[in-house]
Amino acid sequence: ETGVTQSPTHLIKTRGQQVTLRCSSQSGHNTVSWYQQALGQGPQFIFQYYREEENGRGNFPPRFSGLQFPNYSSELNVNALELDDSALYLCASSLGLVGTTGEQYFGPGTRLTVT
Amino acid sequence: SQQGEEDPQALSIQEGENATMNCSYKTSINNLQWYRQNSGRGLVHLILIRSNEREKHSGRLRVTLDTSKKSSSLLITASRAADTASYFCATGRLTGGGNKLTFGTGTQLKVEL
Repeated sequence: ETGVTQSPTHLIKTRGQQVTLRCSSQSGHNTVSWYQQALGQGPQFIFQYYREEENGRGNFPPRFSGLQFPNYSSELNVNALELDDSALYLCASSLGLVGTTGEQYFGPGTRLTVT
Repeated sequence: SQQGEEDPQALSIQEGENATMNCSYKTSINNLQWYRQNSGRGLVHLILIRSNEREKHSGRLRVTLDTSKKSSSLLITASRAADTASYFCATGRLTGGGNKLTFGTGTQLKVEL
């Protein structure tokens, strides 16, 4: 167990709807990263939050947005859902400090199905 | 986009044999990590090797890194049925807030009794 939790576990949404996924980071970690993993593929980096600010973004459209709260938990919001957004969404927490290796600890993921 | 390619895509071995997986990547890195994933669940961190290291061991795992060839390998010795999973390499770039990982395509390992 990594201490990283995600909710909900599974979610079914209709195309065009909006969804919010949640992640609680491991105690002491101040950085949260979000990844999208399509079936049969490796995870793809969506964005990273460090101390409540976005700290890098992958090749995802603006309808993917996020937040990090003062307790370092995080939300991923996806607007105008498309069928291709169906995937496993993973969050990972880490300690963002200069000199650390930045090992990331992953939650169990949220399986999103868009119909 | 995927940074790396794992090779092979799938590997089937008998319990007790060794399993070797390779990873190639394209850009400069600060570190490289290997993860295991069981049946579409969360990723389990296995081992991290820094760009200035060449080899690292952890239990039955041995990782090598050749930055001149932009490649890494993961060796699992004396495999067990419980090692059956997908294995991913991820290259890491350190920025102020932490490590940004770019994952490869994964190797599916099946260990048969």
